[in-house]
Amino acid sequence: AQSVTQLDSHVSVSEGTPVLLRCNYSSSYSPSLFWYVQHPNKGLQLLLKYTSAATLVKGINGFEAEFKKSETSFHLTKPSAHMSDAAEYFCVVKMSNYGGSQGNLIFGKGTKLSVKP
Amino acid sequence: NAGVTQTPKFRVLKTGQSMTLLCAQDMNHEYMYWYRQDPGMGLRLIHYSVGEGTTAKGEVPDGYNVSRLKKQNFLLGLESAAPSQTSVYFCASSSQTGRYTEAFFGQGTRLTVV
Repeated sequence: AQSVTQLDSHVSVSEGTPVLLRCNYSSSYSPSLFWYVQHPNKGLQLLLKYTSAATLVKGINGFEAEFKKSETSFHLTKPSAHMSDAAEYFCVVKMSNYGGSQGNLIFGKGTKLSVKP
Repeated sequence: NAGVTQTPKFRVLKTGQSMTLLCAQDMNHEYMYWYRQDPGMGLRLIHYSVGEGTTAKGEVPDGYNVSRLKKQNFLLGLESAAPSQTSVYFCASSSQTGRYTEAFFGQGTRLTVV
């Protein structure tokens, strides 16, 4: 079975300091992993996705994520937080197509990022 | 460049009332999904469709029905609304279920059942 665990429900940082949002996954197969962002009262937007081409994945707005198979982790980072980064972030694993799941997405419970001036 | 559009954006229902949420996508995607989002729970899959005329149950299907009569539309119905169905509902679509294909999401429908 595939699952994803976001280790922090809420992270608070000061503007200009680094951001780390942690995600661990469980997968029987080589996983398909994504990070989505949801700004207040908005829909979800794709930040980045792991495609196995490289373990360090660059996304939009300066975010990066590193895939570490040995640690089953896919943590999201940004060197310097901006006020506009305040949002909820979701780590997502995509189910394999085995068993008719049709590639459904499994969401973590989300991490709310607050950025203080 | 509409993408995925949900109608309505907000709704208040009384217990026992029925309603239909509409999702429309203009990207010619085969796959469409309905999720509900509750605080601290992430998004959970209600139903999904792999093409026109097909539907399947997701993780939390009870109390909901869906239809996909046209490729571009995916309807979510509540026959008899309950307070437990108070939630934010998101529709998503995807071109295929390839390993690295992402889903595109609508803006959400905030439903309150009183």
